[in-house]
Amino acid sequence: KAGVTQTPRYLIKTRGQQVTLSCSPISGHRSVSWYQQTPGQGLQFLFEYFSETQRNKGNFPGRFSGRQFSNSRSEMNVSTLELGDSALYLCASSLGQGVRETQYFGPGTRLLVL
Amino acid sequence: DAKTTQPPSMDCAEGRAANLPCNHSTISGNEYVYWYRQIHSQGPQYIIHGLKNNETNEMASLIITEDRKSSTLILPHATLRDTAVYYCIVKPTGTASKLTFGTGTRLQVTL
Repeated sequence: KAGVTQTPRYLIKTRGQQVTLSCSPISGHRSVSWYQQTPGQGLQFLFEYFSETQRNKGNFPGRFSGRQFSNSRSEMNVSTLELGDSALYLCASSLGQGVRETQYFGPGTRLLVL
Repeated sequence: DAKTTQPPSMDCAEGRAANLPCNHSTISGNEYVYWYRQIHSQGPQYIIHGLKNNETNEMASLIITEDRKSSTLILPHATLRDTAVYYCIVKPTGTASKLTFGTGTRLQVTL
């Protein structure tokens, strides 16, 4: 079974631009979560989508948004990029059924904001 | 979610067992202990999880103390490829997706 895939793997943007990252979950998984990893803040939860609805949200500004499609694929968008948005963005998928859940992570998208 | 405490770094000789401790003294009765690891610049990799009984899989063993206030991840025969940051996470059953990562333990396996 194929793992979680993320595209693109690397991205360079400039301040003020916006960016869209894509995540394809493991087949059969309906929950997709997004995380941001920076050297200073570590791994932080952004949000989770389940059945095309946002189910959990972390403490990030509204510039960070996401959506999920009917095939469970998900995108996250960051608008008005800031230098501090440079990070590794990780997507994780799971069945979404709660008890004893295990999340499986993709390789990440490394975003550099200049 | 319960807070976890892990040593910042550990060394282990290749072929020996690596025992990574985690303290979670405020854990609640319905919270699971999960272990993930992250090899440099890759996505975190799931290792194992448990509630109160010891668990073993092809990668590792998880030993949870009877009072559940601490646990130990055991890699029975560490190899150089096990060099990574290991994260111990305590997660309630009702919040499947929101993992709260701490700073983890950086395990260095040496020849």
